[in-house]
Amino acid sequence: GESVGLHLPTLSVQEGDNSIINCAYSNSASDYFIWYKQESGKGPQFIIDIRSNMDKRQGQRVTVLLNKTVKHLSLQIAATQPGDSAVYFCAETPNTDKLIFGTGTRLQVFP
Amino acid sequence: GAVVSQHPSWVICKSGTSVKIECRSLDFQATTMFWYRQFPKQSLMLMATSNEGSKATYEQGVEKDKFLINHASLTLSTLTVTSAHPEDSSFYICSAATQGFEDEQYFGPGTRLTVT
Repeated sequence: GESVGLHLPTLSVQEGDNSIINCAYSNSASDYFIWYKQESGKGPQFIIDIRSNMDKRQGQRVTVLLNKTVKHLSLQIAATQPGDSAVYFCAETPNTDKLIFGTGTRLQVFP
Repeated sequence: GAVVSQHPSWVICKSGTSVKIECRSLDFQATTMFWYRQFPKQSLMLMATSNEGSKATYEQGVEKDKFLINHASLTLSTLTVTSAHPEDSSFYICSAATQGFEDEQYFGPGTRLTVT
């Protein structure tokens, strides 16, 4: 299930299930969005990106969906694995010189 | 390719001292480097943007005299936390891009700063 912690919402899923991580972005002028994965004590790792002229983009085991009408972004991870456990951030670009990160969601994968 | 390193990976310093953190692009030339700060269980917050050979642009609320940024070459940017205090304890992360922001940012592994 999904819960809100002190600062970081957490999503707990069973290994093999699909995960859906959601993000609400703030600026309707944003035209480029990125999902990052951050493991404990490490820097963010690029997962997948999408531009505002698209509503869906697929990668290996991951899919990003963009709904500009409600300013919502989601990351779907198929067949979630223990190695997917991390904090996931969406990021938006309201202009060409800044990357704004969302609050993040912790994904916990249980065997 | 596109590897960014940071040094040191962690540092402990005493209150009132200064600490320098290095960010290097190992296999590409970075015209722009970004410095972020991340407190525990929080998101990354952009502190400043630096372009090689010019002064850094700081985000609102970030003291430029406290967080000195130097981007002297296309492969190295440094962040110096001057007169550090315990509230400066954080995870500092840099990223680098080859063509300014419009290019993908490659992130470093981060530097954990603890000020005692």
